[in-house]
Amino acid sequence: NAGVMQNPRHLVRRRGQEARLRCSPMKGHSHVYWYRQLPEEGLKFMVYLQKENIIDESGMPKERFSAEFPKEGPSILRIQQVVRGDSAAYFCASSLGGTGPYEQYFGPGTRLTVT
Amino acid sequence: KNEVEQSPQNLTAQEGEFITINCSYSVGISALHWLQQHPGGGIVSLFMLSSGKKKHGRLIATINIQEKHSSLHITASHPRDSAVYICAVRSGPDRGSTLGRLYFGRGTQLTVWP
Repeated sequence: NAGVMQNPRHLVRRRGQEARLRCSPMKGHSHVYWYRQLPEEGLKFMVYLQKENIIDESGMPKERFSAEFPKEGPSILRIQQVVRGDSAAYFCASSLGGTGPYEQYFGPGTRLTVT
Repeated sequence: KNEVEQSPQNLTAQEGEFITINCSYSVGISALHWLQQHPGGGIVSLFMLSSGKKKHGRLIATINIQEKHSSLHITASHPRDSAVYICAVRSGPDRGSTLGRLYFGRGTQLTVWP
């Protein structure tokens, strides 16, 4: 039973390029969360998705960032026109449910470096 | 002010010592998580609790809902326990549409010397 998968594990992009981060939740999980960890800072919530729905995107920057979780396939966090300040570790987590005593299982993270 | 405050920020111990990391939070919660993060590595969930106390091996986590406080204890600490320990709370019923999201403390960097 594979855990949460994220790819790529490391991603280097030049300023202005697009970054696509993928997250495959644990089998049977339909809830996905994306978190960002900036250098020397704590983890911050970005977005919470269920299949085909964005439930809470209150932590997403208003511009350049988008997320989706299609009916089939992984969840995608997309960053357009990356800037140096986007360099961070991006973690996704999945759970069986959103409310109630559901454990969130974290992926290994994608470390994005913008040059 | 952060919704979740951890102390201490850094902790150094000798192998075998008893370790305590504290976490206070200011929001209504449905659960509290203790997470472990190794350098360059991913995040592992150690505990999820909403009341009382849980124990797993040398690790013990307690929570006091009335006081909005939790502690993580490590007995007989070992160098392999060296990591960042993160307290996170899952928002509760009073947060409306933000149900399920986690609020994180800044983490406690633990170093255990042999």
